[in-house]
Formats: sequence, structure tokens, C-alpha cells
Amino acid sequence: AQTVTQSQPEMSVQEAETVTLSCTYDTSESDYYLFWYKQPPSRQMILVIRQEAYKQQNATENRFSVNFQKAAKSFSLKISDSQLGDAAMYFCAYREKYGNKLVFGAGTILRVKS
Amino acid sequence: ETGVTQTPRHLVMGMTNKKSLKCEQHLGHNAMYWYKQSAKKPLELMFVYNFKEQTENNSVPSRFSPECPNSSHLFLHLHTLQPEDSALYLCASSLKGSTDTQYFGPGTRLTVL
Repeated sequence: AQTVTQSQPEMSVQEAETVTLSCTYDTSESDYYLFWYKQPPSRQMILVIRQEAYKQQNATENRFSVNFQKAAKSFSLKISDSQLGDAAMYFCAYREKYGNKLVFGAGTILRVKS
Repeated sequence: ETGVTQTPRHLVMGMTNKKSLKCEQHLGHNAMYWYKQSAKKPLELMFVYNFKEQTENNSVPSRFSPECPNSSHLFLHLHTLQPEDSALYLCASSLKGSTDTQYFGPGTRLTVL
């Protein structure tokens, strides 16, 4: 069974600085999807970024980028120029290419200091 | 607002009550999902519906009964719940079941007394 591990329960970053959230996963599949979701205190889970495993190029969305290391099964999220609104719980998730099931990590709480 | 709404946002019920959670998506999606988010545990998929047909039941106890009358609406009927069922219940939808990104609703915070 696939598993997703987020080893950092909590992280802090100064406003305008850069922070990297770690995620590793375990799978025997060669093609799959990886996601980062953000859950602010309002509880609405929001998609941050998505990566397709067959694409070698790292996905980027404005201030958010990933470092996808397929061989190492690592999928870290980098947030540049951190803003107060980035404070949230961040979840890493995995999905088989043709599957319905999202497998989530335990989450990382990100605190942004002004 | 992501186009997926859930009601109620908060629910307190006794173990002998029967209640229902409602999810509605306004995105034209064909797949809908129920997830459970408990404290200190990763989100757990409960049920998946594709084009109104249940395609996955992740070993969920029968005291949780889903219903999908059409592609826009998803219900979770609750009866004789236990205190350990207290959690945030999240609904999600995607365009198709397998290849598309899931979009989440705000969740229903359920407390079972």
C-alpha cells in the first residue's frame, strides 16, 4: 500500500522568507500524481500544486514550487516570499494515475511570523 | 469558495440520533468523495461515487450510509454513531474519477456526545 510521510509536524518562517516543507512517499507504481493541499484555519482544503510523476520538470505556481525527486520518492514544497496568508496546515498527497484514492500525509503546520 | 458546499458546518448529535450531512458541487463534476479528518490522523477516504455509482467503500462501518442521488449532490446519513466518530467530514469532487484533481468543501465538524 502507498504511504505518504511528512516528517515535520510544525514549521515556522519569517514573513518574506523562504521555507521548504518535506514529503516522502512509498509506491511501487511508476506513474502517479502528487499534490500539495493547504488547509487554513477556515478549514477549506485548497489545492496548491500538482505534479505528474512522468513529467521531470518541477511544477510551479507563482510563489510555490516543488522539488520532485522521483528516484528518492521525495516531493518537497518551497514557498518563496512567505506571506501571513500562507499560514495553514499543508498536506502532501499521492494518487495512483488511474485511481480515485488520495493518500494523505499527516500534515505540517506552517506558522508565518511578521 | 471552491464551488463545493457542505451543510451543516457544525453538528452535535447524541449516539442515538439520526442525522445527515449534505454536500453539493457547482462545478459540473462527475465524481464525489467523502473523507474523514480526525485529530492527529491523516485524512481517510471513506466513499467514492462516479456518475452516481459507488465505486469505493474504504471499509467504512455501516453506521455511515452514503447516498448520491445525482452527480451534484452527495449525502452521508449517520445513525447510532460513537464518540470516536467525532471528526471533520470533508466532501470533495472531481471532473472524472481517476485523472482529475479533487476540490474540497469546507467540511462539517461533527461532535458525537
